[in-house]
Amino acid sequence: ILNVEQSPQSLHVQEGDSTNFTCSFPSSNFYALHWYRWETAKSPEALFVMTLNGDEKKKGRISATLNTKEGYSYLYIKGSQPEDSATYLCAFRQGGKLIFGQGTELSVKP
Amino acid sequence: SQTIHQWPATLVQPVGSPLSLECTVEGTSNPNLYWYRQAAGRGLQLLFYSVGIGQISSEVPQNLSASRPQDRQFILSSKKLLLSDSGFYLCAWDQALGTAEAFFGQGTRLTVV
Repeated sequence: ILNVEQSPQSLHVQEGDSTNFTCSFPSSNFYALHWYRWETAKSPEALFVMTLNGDEKKKGRISATLNTKEGYSYLYIKGSQPEDSATYLCAFRQGGKLIFGQGTELSVKP
Repeated sequence: SQTIHQWPATLVQPVGSPLSLECTVEGTSNPNLYWYRQAAGRGLQLLFYSVGIGQISSEVPQNLSASRPQDRQFILSSKKLLLSDSGFYLCAWDQALGTAEAFFGQGTRLTVV
């Protein structure tokens, strides 16, 4: 299994800060890249599923970009709020299976 | 609508005891089914993947096994638990399309003592 890498592993920001984190994945045989948010005591929930190079998706203050040629995706959060605190996971579909990165744990302090 | 059920929510088991975690999906047919584990400080590690009844792909050599006796039922088992089997286990499903998002159960916190 090829690796999906996320950075940073954890991030602590103040309320109102904008932040971003990275997901790196194998650039060959690309099919789809997923982003999930995993809040404490809940199940992971999908944010975005991205398939096209150059794709940009947005949901409220959260947006994501995709570069399939170089194998990375960025997730941006504008004006972080305490309720954005969660672990953000990216996942790469390989051979039909969803392979997850280790996640970025975001903590937003009021 | 589709739902996924996973149980039990928490489990404390002694070393050497057997394990059975169950996951069922409602409202869809022929889903892909997954078992993931989150060990401390790590993301989701894929343990088992199934595309159909009796079709199980094992991703990581270990003390666990999985079975899919029915289309929407996925079971994670062990004959003898090890301390290292402790962790948070998640069941998930998606459709066989690369763009389909995955849906997760509520998870099982397993502590082996």
